[in-house]
Amino acid sequence: GNSVTQMEGPVTLSEEAFLTINCTYTATGYPSLFWYVQYPGEGLQLLLKATKADDKGSNKGFEATYRKETTSFHLEKGSVQVSDSAVYFCALITGNQFYFGTGTSLTVIP
Amino acid sequence: EADIYQTPRYLVIGTGKKITLECSQTMGHDKMYWYQQDPGMELHLIHYSYGVNSTEKGDLSSESTVSRIRTEHFPLTLESARPSHTSQYLCASSDPADYNSPLHFGNGTRLTVT
Repeated sequence: GNSVTQMEGPVTLSEEAFLTINCTYTATGYPSLFWYVQYPGEGLQLLLKATKADDKGSNKGFEATYRKETTSFHLEKGSVQVSDSAVYFCALITGNQFYFGTGTSLTVIP
Repeated sequence: EADIYQTPRYLVIGTGKKITLECSQTMGHDKMYWYQQDPGMELHLIHYSYGVNSTEKGDLSSESTVSRIRTEHFPLTLESARPSHTSQYLCASSDPADYNSPLHFGNGTRLTVT
């Protein structure tokens, strides 16, 4: 079946640290992959996406590369800020159905 | 920049009351969804719709009902609220004509049933 597995949190980092949140997936067909971010008290916002193998999605300093060979879509940022504190969700769409990971909470401390 | 709107943002209500959570979108999307988000953050699909007059149950059993009389409007109703319904409810939409279309989410309704 189709599923998304992402790194369990919570994750706590100091400001300017390097961030990686791991995401792997299982999917039939040719899924598109997404990262969403949820700030406290808000809904989910699309952070970045990639629609085919080797595509790199990027936004606001975050990046993720669609790796078909390892079925992964890890989220990275070179230098996190306090304002990046949020919950991050990895997701895929295949066959017009969405599948979400369980979310990873990130807290960045000054 | 959200084009999908949920009201109310917060609701505290007593057990046994009937409530309707409103969701509207201005993007003309045919497909709409309701998710329930538990305190552990995980999202559970409770209802979705392919378009007007279409409603389907999602993966998580829910005592709520939905209707889709207009493309832009997808309200969720609880006939008799209980404390177990306390949760965050997120509405979303997507364009099924675009194979890679992401979900667009509203800001959610945080419901507390006392």
